[in-house]
Amino acid sequence: GAGVSQSPSNKVTEKGKDVELRCDPISGHTALYWYRQSLGQGLEFLIYFQGNSAPDKSGLPSDRFSAERTGGSVSTLTIQRTQQEDSAVYLCASSGTGLNTGELFFGEGSRLTVL
Amino acid sequence: KQEVTQIPAALSVPEGENLVLNCSFTDSAIYNLQWFRQDPGKGLTSLLLIQSSQREQTSGRLNASLDKSSGRSTLYIAASQPGDSATYLCAVRMDSSYKLIFGSGTRLLVRP
Repeated sequence: GAGVSQSPSNKVTEKGKDVELRCDPISGHTALYWYRQSLGQGLEFLIYFQGNSAPDKSGLPSDRFSAERTGGSVSTLTIQRTQQEDSAVYLCASSGTGLNTGELFFGEGSRLTVL
Repeated sequence: KQEVTQIPAALSVPEGENLVLNCSFTDSAIYNLQWFRQDPGKGLTSLLLIQSSQREQTSGRLNASLDKSSGRSTLYIAASQPGDSATYLCAVRMDSSYKLIFGSGTRLLVRP
């Protein structure tokens, strides 16, 4: 696609429910990142995928968070048993090779509100 | 541990002014540095990427410089316009990692 696509753009859920957030990276980009941006806070790294390598999950805040990337393209971030502190904007970014190796392109984000 | 600082946190200028946003980092072993803008309720838009071997990059009215040895980068915006109003974020990627470490941003308001 032309850019990084994320869905849903907004999600309101009740505490304790599970949610899935989807990211469709730029076609051909091998690297995919998830970041979280909480109100008044900076961007917090969550997880990184690169090709077929094992993902770096070091930024996931708890075992309620998981992510997968199928076929080296679309990624899904899953939050189980959501808590109010999970409310944030979840941003996905992808990066490819070429002239500007390492340049990250972000999607519009998924705003999660846990009531 | 790398720390990225952006000063000022907020800036308000009249339209037409040239302005400079600052970004500093504590560890000079960076792979690249990237400047983004973020409009309210939106994602991040990449503005400029500077590789560690480069000194500056230009795009239109924007010019970003990098001084690795002093741990500084500046984003220069010429002839500012109200449409430039946004939060500007810088982020560094270390030689030893692929993660971007973000500053807390400078919130810019350009008054008509």
